[in-house]
Amino acid sequence: GQQLNQSPQSMFIQEGEDVSMNCTSSSIFNTWLWYKQEPGEGPVLLIALYKAGELTSNGRLTAQFGITRKDSFLNISASIPSDVGIYFCAGQPPFYGGATNKLIFGTGTLLAVQP
Amino acid sequence: NAGVTQTPKFQVLKTGQSMTLQCAQDMNHEYMSWYRQDPGMGLRLIHYSVGAGITDQGEVPNGYNVSRSTTEDFPLRLLSAAPSQTSVYFCASEPSRGRTDTQYFGPGTRLTVL
Repeated sequence: GQQLNQSPQSMFIQEGEDVSMNCTSSSIFNTWLWYKQEPGEGPVLLIALYKAGELTSNGRLTAQFGITRKDSFLNISASIPSDVGIYFCAGQPPFYGGATNKLIFGTGTLLAVQP
Repeated sequence: NAGVTQTPKFQVLKTGQSMTLQCAQDMNHEYMSWYRQDPGMGLRLIHYSVGAGITDQGEVPNGYNVSRSTTEDFPLRLLSAAPSQTSVYFCASEPSRGRTDTQYFGPGTRLTVL
């Protein structure tokens, strides 16, 4: 099946630094989503992207839907300690019919921010 | 609204035991799904439902059963637990098919099978 390669696996940074992570796929997606998961909680949606080239911001977060539809990146500017968590990308494949909303998730990027 | 709730939060089973993981949502969402999360892997879809009475398999359905008798509830059943089913299980819901940008996840159930 389709897989998403997410990198880096982990990042250990100082407060105030900018962060960048990305996801790549061997096949195209119609939608890219970025989630954050904090310890003991379920993922929470941060940003949703719907078309190739789209650039969307949510506060200090910025994400882009790659032109080829096979990649996406997430940037966090001026990181703060509460940014700590695991960040997941997810892609929705083209809808080929049938009752499906299947999402393919990346393996996650663990972010640690030192004050 | 409570959103998506899951019970129990933690569970330990012995190999061969059966149990049901509960999931409920109070947002009148049509679409509900179950994922498992394993270390070093992304969430993987187990089963999903597009409405009451309709369920279908996801990526990793073996060893799990689901049913959807009401819009609110979507229980996941393990018929004979195996150590390979040790994982964190997340239930999610969204208003309707195609609206993945409004998907809400529950807090998860951490299952250990000995």
